[in-house]
Formats: sequence, structure tokens, C-alpha cells
Amino acid sequence: DTAVSQTPKYLVTQMGNDKSIKCEQNLGHDTMYWYKQDSKKFLKIMFSYNNKELIINETVPNRFSPKSPDKAHLNLHINSLELGDSAVYFCASSQASQPQHFGDGTRLSIL
Amino acid sequence: QKEVEQDPGPLSVPEGAIVSLNCTYSNSAFQYFMWYRQYSRKGPELLMYTYSSGNKEDGRFTAQVDKSSKYISLFIRDSQPSDSATYLCAMSENNFNKFYFGSGTKLNVKP
Repeated sequence: DTAVSQTPKYLVTQMGNDKSIKCEQNLGHDTMYWYKQDSKKFLKIMFSYNNKELIINETVPNRFSPKSPDKAHLNLHINSLELGDSAVYFCASSQASQPQHFGDGTRLSIL
Repeated sequence: QKEVEQDPGPLSVPEGAIVSLNCTYSNSAFQYFMWYRQYSRKGPELLMYTYSSGNKEDGRFTAQVDKSSKYISLFIRDSQPSDSATYLCAMSENNFNKFYFGSGTKLNVKP
């Protein structure tokens, strides 16, 4: 009964490919997020959706496009993958005025 | 200059020691302060959160916030090998939507 689950856990692909990462939360939260964690463990927010509406969109290349089909799901699609996209991508969710709960991450490696 | 600074460590202590983990920040608008624990290959797990200045205790963990110095601390009493992980501080202004994370301190508790 994982609260925030991401798939896949690992993603190894070649430069130039397009890939998607999926996230689902069963906590009933109304806000979901995507973070990128680099090799130095620095976590940086990319996007945030509240009830399917985009509320935070940090300076991220437009090759990254989030999609929220409903408030329990937030997917991340990445076009034309580059070497610098290699990182761990975390999904998180929260309810209003409460801290965020994280998934276990998707480890993306670009060859 | 990053919004939140955290010594990356590693910090190595013997079992039973008192551990002190710290973060400094530059944004005086931060009001919510969180500590997350991240085990290897897992997502950040919320340990504690506090609002504004003061102390909060939960079992072996104590969080302190000094807004005048822009400094927060997490103390772990009677540290255990299972406490070995990376500890991330996080901060937010007037809600929990946008967090700013420190880069994490890696802690190793030796049996």
C-alpha cells in the first residue's frame, strides 16, 4: 500500500529518445510535484500541480512536459533526452498546508 | 549563493553519540522548516516539521529553529546504526507548496 509510487524505478535509454515517468498517490492529496535530484543530492523542484492545475513551473527546458490526468496522477514526459538529464526524479504529494510525501524515485541514465 | 546551505559531510559518529545537523538560510521569509531522512536508493521521508522559531521534540529527535540567526538544527540522541542516512533540511515561505532543500548531510553511525 505504497503512498506515492513511481514507475519505472530505473530507466536506461539513449540520447535523443523520448520517455515518460508515471506517478500515482493514494493519499487523497490535492497537490503533486516533480523534483530532480542531481549527483550531489541536491533536490530541485520542477513542477507542481494542484487539482490538475499547474501552479509551479520552474526554469525547466520545455522538453519536459508534465501531465495530470486526475489529482491522483502526475506523469512526466521528456523529449529528446540529453546527457544532462541523467538524475533521480522524485514525485511527491501533499495536502494543503502540510509537508510533502515523496516516492522512491526514478533513476534515469542517458547513454 | 544558494537559498539553503548544508554541510554535505560525511559525518561519522559512534553508536550512542548525540548528533547535531545544521542548515543556514538567507531568506528571512521562510516560516516552515522541515527535516527529511533519505536512505540510499529511497525517497526522502519526513522526520519533523516546525513553524517559525522554537524547539520541537519527537522521541530521540529534536528540531530547533533560530530565525534571528537564520539557522536550524536537528539533534539525534542515542544515535543508532539505523540512523545512518542522508538528512535533508527544507524550508518554505507561507505555505508548503514550494520547498527549498539543502543538499543533505550524510550521516554514518558506527556500531
